[in-house]
Amino acid sequence: KAGVTQTPRYLIKTRGQQVTLSCSPISGHRSVSWYQQTPGQGLQFLFEYFSETQRNKGNFPGRFSGRQFSNSRSEMNVSTLELGDSALYLCASSLFSNQPQHFGDGTRLSIL
Amino acid sequence: LAKTTQPISMDSYEGQEVNITCSHNNIATNDYITWYQQFPSQGPRFIIQGYKTKVTNEVASLFIPADRKSSTLSLPRVSLSDTAVYYCLVGENAGNNRKLIWGLGTSLAVNP
Repeated sequence: KAGVTQTPRYLIKTRGQQVTLSCSPISGHRSVSWYQQTPGQGLQFLFEYFSETQRNKGNFPGRFSGRQFSNSRSEMNVSTLELGDSALYLCASSLFSNQPQHFGDGTRLSIL
Repeated sequence: LAKTTQPISMDSYEGQEVNITCSHNNIATNDYITWYQQFPSQGPRFIIQGYKTKVTNEVASLFIPADRKSSTLSLPRVSLSDTAVYYCLVGENAGNNRKLIWGLGTSLAVNP
């Protein structure tokens, strides 16, 4: 079956803009998590959604938000982009929260 | 907050056994320890997951002592294709907001 799909793969934005990233989980998976990966900080947890409800949240400012649709697809939005938001954003899905996660190959976001 | 600690890098040679240790205090009673592998420009890939004692699958073994404050990923007879970054994942309960803590990863280089 198809893996986790993230779109777009690459994105270039300027400071102050906003961006929306999309994630389609593996069919049947109801948990979707988002991560930010940078060389200096490694993988940092953003939030997790399960059945359209945000279950867990990491330590990121309110500019980072997300949502999950009834078909489990998820979107992540970042408003008022800053240079420091340049990173690889990864989406992962699993059946339940404690189950192993399956990752997409990420969206590379560059802020100019 | 719980913190995970892994060696930043390791070197090995083809055919050798490699052991990577992750330290994690304040692990929650009902949390699992999970290891992932990541190649450049790809999302992490699940390797193995365990709760206590020893778990083995077709690619690795995971050793967890009784106090569960650390874990060791064992890769038998590594090959060049095992060159990657390896992450230790431990869930943490911070009140009602479960935060997922990743180690910074161990960069494993397998030499011919």
